[in-house]
Amino acid sequence: GIQVEQSPPDLILQEGANSTLRCNFSDSVNNLQWFHQNPWGQLINLFYIPSGTKQNGRLSATTVATERYSLLYISSSQTTDSGVYFCAVETQGGSEKLVFGKGMKLTVNP
Amino acid sequence: GAGVSQTPSNKVTEKGKYVELRCDPISGHTALYWYRQSLGQGPEFLIYFQGTGAADDSGLPNDRFFAVRPEGSVSTLKIQRTERGDSAVYLCASSLLSGAGGELFFGEGSRLTVL
Repeated sequence: GIQVEQSPPDLILQEGANSTLRCNFSDSVNNLQWFHQNPWGQLINLFYIPSGTKQNGRLSATTVATERYSLLYISSSQTTDSGVYFCAVETQGGSEKLVFGKGMKLTVNP
Repeated sequence: GAGVSQTPSNKVTEKGKYVELRCDPISGHTALYWYRQSLGQGPEFLIYFQGTGAADDSGLPNDRFFAVRPEGSVSTLKIQRTERGDSAVYLCASSLLSGAGGELFFGEGSRLTVL
């Protein structure tokens, strides 16, 4: 099946810093989503981005489908950005389900 | 409702008992998914419904696990003869599009602990 790799696995930042999270995937996809899992376990939708670039406030994401990667940018990080970030993809022509990466734990210190 | 609703939020049971977990999807969403998340891991796919039928149940770990969606809305995940290894957070998601590429929205999960 499709492989989803996220990097870095963990990241510690000072409040106000910027960061880039990367998601590589091994096959063509027709769905890619970024999620933030908060400390209570809720998966919050950040972006639905199978291709192109989107921005939402301090967050933006870019997916280059032809090169099989996606990037999530967090600017001016805040302590509330802490948590685990997941990339999840759905393969073209495959079963209609999202396959998740292992996640990236972000800690933003005040 | 406004979002995906899952009950119970927490369930503690003894090894060998039967458990039911309920998911109420976003109104109008035809696709419904069950995932399982163990500590420190990403969610793992269990089963996917299109309407009332299970379109893909390839993620169910064994025949102790079963899920139904009789009227195409609410779904119940059923676990028989629970084992300690079944302890995890069970997540439900729904999607508007009944096909490839739909955006998934997740509930808050049901945390199952098997003693």
